[in-house]
Amino acid sequence: AQSVTQLDSQVPVFEEAPVELRCNYSSSVSVYLFWYVQYPNQGLQLLLKYLSGSTLVKGINGFEAEFNKSQTSFHLRKPSVHISDTAEYFCAVSASITGTASKLTFGTGTRLQVTL
Amino acid sequence: DTAVSQTPKYLVTQMGNDKSIKCEQNLGHDTMYWYKQDSKKFLKIMFSYNNKELIINETVPNRFSPKSPDKAHLNLHINSLELGDSAVYFCATARGYNVETQYFGPGTRLLVL
Repeated sequence: AQSVTQLDSQVPVFEEAPVELRCNYSSSVSVYLFWYVQYPNQGLQLLLKYLSGSTLVKGINGFEAEFNKSQTSFHLRKPSVHISDTAEYFCAVSASITGTASKLTFGTGTRLQVTL
Repeated sequence: DTAVSQTPKYLVTQMGNDKSIKCEQNLGHDTMYWYKQDSKKFLKIMFSYNNKELIINETVPNRFSPKSPDKAHLNLHINSLELGDSAVYFCATARGYNVETQYFGPGTRLLVL
């Protein structure tokens, strides 16, 4: 089974400042890793994903994340945030086992609050 | 056209009632999911169907019964609603059952009084 830990439930940040949202995972098998964003009263939208290959993954809206296998982490970063980035961010993991049903396990979310 | 749609968007009902929420997708995907998001925003998978066949069935009370009449639709029927069923229910789809990227609907906000 997989699990995901998002250590920060809330991250306040000023506009144009950099931000890092932390995600650590646990799994006995290889995994795929994801970051989803949820704007208020909306569904989840995929920001980026790591499947294989380069450990630095670039996503939409200027976000990027780095897969670190030794630290079992997949932290999300943005060099300069905007007010419109205020949302809930979810890290998720699924086992990368061929022939098995893909099942996302989510972290508890991090609320990014951007202020002026 | 909305890729993944859910109806209703909001549902307020009394304890003990039976209700259904519906999900439709026009992406041509083979796999559909139901997730429950509780009041603390925690998301947990409930069910998954692939080509109308149930492939994931997590530990969910048997008052919850999914039904997939065709590949484009996945409905969730809930019997004897309880206060603890209040949550946001999200439908999601993916191209295949072991394909990684899932696309989420806007959610159905259920409030049980």
